[in-house]
Amino acid sequence: DARVTQTPRHKVTEMGQEVTMRCQPILGHNTVFWYRQTMMQGLELLAYFRNRAPLDDSGMPKDRFSAEMPDATLATLKIQPSEPRDSAVYFCASGLAGQGGGNEQFFGPGTRLTVL
Amino acid sequence: GDSVTQMEGPVTLSEEAFLTINCTYTATGYPSLFWYVQYPGEGLQLLLKATKADDKGSNKGFEATYRKETTSFHLEKGSVQVSDSAVYFCALLTSGTYKYIFGTGTRLKVLA
Repeated sequence: DARVTQTPRHKVTEMGQEVTMRCQPILGHNTVFWYRQTMMQGLELLAYFRNRAPLDDSGMPKDRFSAEMPDATLATLKIQPSEPRDSAVYFCASGLAGQGGGNEQFFGPGTRLTVL
Repeated sequence: GDSVTQMEGPVTLSEEAFLTINCTYTATGYPSLFWYVQYPGEGLQLLLKATKADDKGSNKGFEATYRKETTSFHLEKGSVQVSDSAVYFCALLTSGTYKYIFGTGTRLKVLA
């Protein structure tokens, strides 16, 4: 049963520290998305990739956030330095674009980040 | 720009009650429409979808019909169960793009 995996599932860190979150998309999927979910803002798209190339990262604070796909099996989201307002659940999702509409996204279980 | 509006929650129902969660959209072109569900502590998962006008998506007793004339995709279920308690997200995907537009989510609580 193929699924998106994310590590770590929980992370508690102190303000100013670097945080790296990892995602393994479903094998064969060619799009990867990073979302952030908070009570106040709901679900926000931070960045997405197609065939490992970044297509849109306009939702991401550029000064502290970065997203990469070093290879097809790994996507990373890095925050440096972290701030308390970054506390949220971060979801990775993957999908297979080009199916002619109705493209489902498969979500991972999320990384719950707490910045003290 | 494209947008999705769904009813504010929380929605609290007794078991076996009828459920409607309203969703309307604004989009250029011909979007595909989706309902995703998020159970506590989990990521979102696809519940149902419709890719063109008048299509009806259905799954697990839930249904939604793509109404182009009213730009709506309301979610319905005839008899809810306690296990349906979750947050429900309406979303659209504009043709030719890969970026979903999600609604704000509606929390459903079903009481035994």
